Amino acid sequence: AQSVTQLDSHVSVSEGTPVLLRCNYSSSYSPSLFWYVQHPNKGLQLLLKYTSAATLVKGINGFEAEFKKSETSFHLTKPSAHMSDAAEYFCVVSIIQGAQKLVFGQGTRLTINP
Amino acid sequence: EAGVTQFPSHSVIEKGQTVTLRCDPISGHDNLYWYRRVMGKEIKFLLHFVKESKQDESGMPNNRFLAERTGGTYSTLKVQPAELEDSGVYFCASSQNRVESYEQYFGPGTRLTVT
Repeated sequence: AQSVTQLDSHVSVSEGTPVLLRCNYSSSYSPSLFWYVQHPNKGLQLLLKYTSAATLVKGINGFEAEFKKSETSFHLTKPSAHMSDAAEYFCVVSIIQGAQKLVFGQGTRLTINP
Repeated sequence: EAGVTQFPSHSVIEKGQTVTLRCDPISGHDNLYWYRRVMGKEIKFLLHFVKESKQDESGMPNNRFLAERTGGTYSTLKVQPAELEDSGVYFCASSQNRVESYEQYFGPGTRLTVT
């Protein structure tokens, strides 16, 4: 069965400093992995996705994530935080074959300090 | 292109009442999904439609929940009778029916409060 663990429920960084949101996954199959972001009162927006191509995935707004099979990790990073990055971030896994349902992590709330 | 829309954005009802949530997917998207986030918990899958057919309803919590997608366009999720534990945010998502384009687009959610 697939599962996702986001290691931090809340991360706080200063504007201009790097962001690291940690995610570990468990999957019986070759997984597809995603990061979604939800800004207040908005829907979930796809940041980036890994689908067995390049292990370093670049997304929107300067975010990227690296798939590390040996560590079963898919951490999200950004070199320099911006105030507009404040939101809740979700690490998500799915199986391409069969059911398309997504399995979500618990979410990490990112706060940016001025 | 219009995104996924959900109505209402908020609903407050009393225990035992009935509530119907509506989701309009992106035009042309055959796949429609419902998810739910109960307070303090992760977002969980409820069910998946392909056009008007239920493909996977393994996440539906019990028979008080009924989802429909007549005509393969919009979908409704009815909770009858509502219980306190049904409170949460209900998300709808849609995607195209192509393996190479399975990205799910989410609506803003409906916040349901049962008192």
